[in-house]
Amino acid sequence: DTAVSQTPKYLVTQMGNDKSIKCEQNLGHDTMYWYKQDSKKFLKIMFSYNNKELIINETVPNRFSPKSPDKAHLNLHINSLELGDSAVYFCASSQALTGQETQYFGPGTRLLVL
Amino acid sequence: RKEVEQDPGPFNVPEGATVAFNCTYSNSASQSFFWYRQDCRKEPKLLMSVYSSGNEDGRFTAQLNRASQYISLLIRDSKLSDSATYLCVVNMRGNEKLTFGTGTRLTIIP
Repeated sequence: DTAVSQTPKYLVTQMGNDKSIKCEQNLGHDTMYWYKQDSKKFLKIMFSYNNKELIINETVPNRFSPKSPDKAHLNLHINSLELGDSAVYFCASSQALTGQETQYFGPGTRLLVL
Repeated sequence: RKEVEQDPGPFNVPEGATVAFNCTYSNSASQSFFWYRQDCRKEPKLLMSVYSSGNEDGRFTAQLNRASQYISLLIRDSKLSDSATYLCVVNMRGNEKLTFGTGTRLTIIP
């Protein structure tokens, strides 16, 4: 009965590869997010979707492409992986997109690019 | 200047002590404030929202000072299980996103 789940939990890959991370929430929330937490533990928003519509795109390189097939799922595809993409990627969801709602985070996907 | 600034610590505090963290934010239009907690190698989780009048939840007290643009978190009678990184989080009026501070790392020592 995990609220926000992500797969895979760990991802080790070579530079230049393409990879995807999947996220699902069973909370019935309208809004989902992708965050990146770098080696200095700084957590920064990348994207947010509300009812499958892209709302926030925080100047992320276009190698990163989110996709929301329905409001319970938000996947992240990364093309041509670079060393600097190594980080922990967290998916989150909230009831609404007001910025005042509690955000529930998934367990994170630890990406290491070699 | 960073939008949200916190002392990164680490704070090493004996069990049972009281510890306080501050966080400053740069945008006076900020309207919602939170403290999240992140355990080592885990995801962030909401600890408490911060209200204008200040609020308390058990051993935890949060305060907001809009004039000086800072929020604080006080932990009384600290427990070993309080060891974590505490993230200050701010939302600006009319902006859907949350801005996270870099976190303050707390270790409670037996």
